[in-house]
Amino acid sequence: ELKVEQNPLFLSMQEGKNYTIYCNYSTTSDRLYWYRQDPGKSLESLFVLLSNGAVKQEGRLMASLDTKARLSTLHITAAVHDLSATYFCAVGYYGGSQGNLIFGKGTKLSVKP
Amino acid sequence: KAGVTQTPRYLIKTRGQQVTLSCSPISGHRSVSWYQQTPGQGLQFLFEYFSETQRNKGNFPGRFSGRQFSNSRSEMNVSTLELGDSALYLCASSLRQGQSDYGYTFGSGTRLTVV
Repeated sequence: ELKVEQNPLFLSMQEGKNYTIYCNYSTTSDRLYWYRQDPGKSLESLFVLLSNGAVKQEGRLMASLDTKARLSTLHITAAVHDLSATYFCAVGYYGGSQGNLIFGKGTKLSVKP
Repeated sequence: KAGVTQTPRYLIKTRGQQVTLSCSPISGHRSVSWYQQTPGQGLQFLFEYFSETQRNKGNFPGRFSGRQFSNSRSEMNVSTLELGDSALYLCASSLRQGQSDYGYTFGSGTRLTVV
């Protein structure tokens, strides 16, 4: 069974600070997805990472993938309150009973002024 | 383009009843996957449908079933509801079965409460 571990699970940041969320997974995969979820809402796709060394940036968020280390990171630069949400990483995996996306438990981010 | 549409948005049912949830994928997308989200278990895979066939199934009891129609719309059914079935049910749409280079687009979800 593929396991996906995110840390930290809870993150309280001050506006303007930088931080990184880590996503480790247990089985070889070259596909990694990041999602954002606001309270009571659905999952919004942030990044799709499809190969080793992939790096994508959108605004204050940057995601990277190291398939050899089985690690993806989501880096937050100069956090603002609007980034407060829960962030999920999901590993692409095909054919098992866990489905095509295996999610981490999520990182609940709170950005305070 | 229209996104993934899930109906209804909210449902309250009584234990023992059954419920049917609907998901219309993005136009042109042929794969629909269903997930259950709860605070305790997180996001868990229910099943995936492609070309009207169930291609993969998660570790849920037989009370959970689904189907897909020729227009790619999908329904899931839960029979003999239990309190533990209270959850947010999300469907995800993608172009094709299996791995997606373009990601998966999720619907707004159906919030099911079993009382």
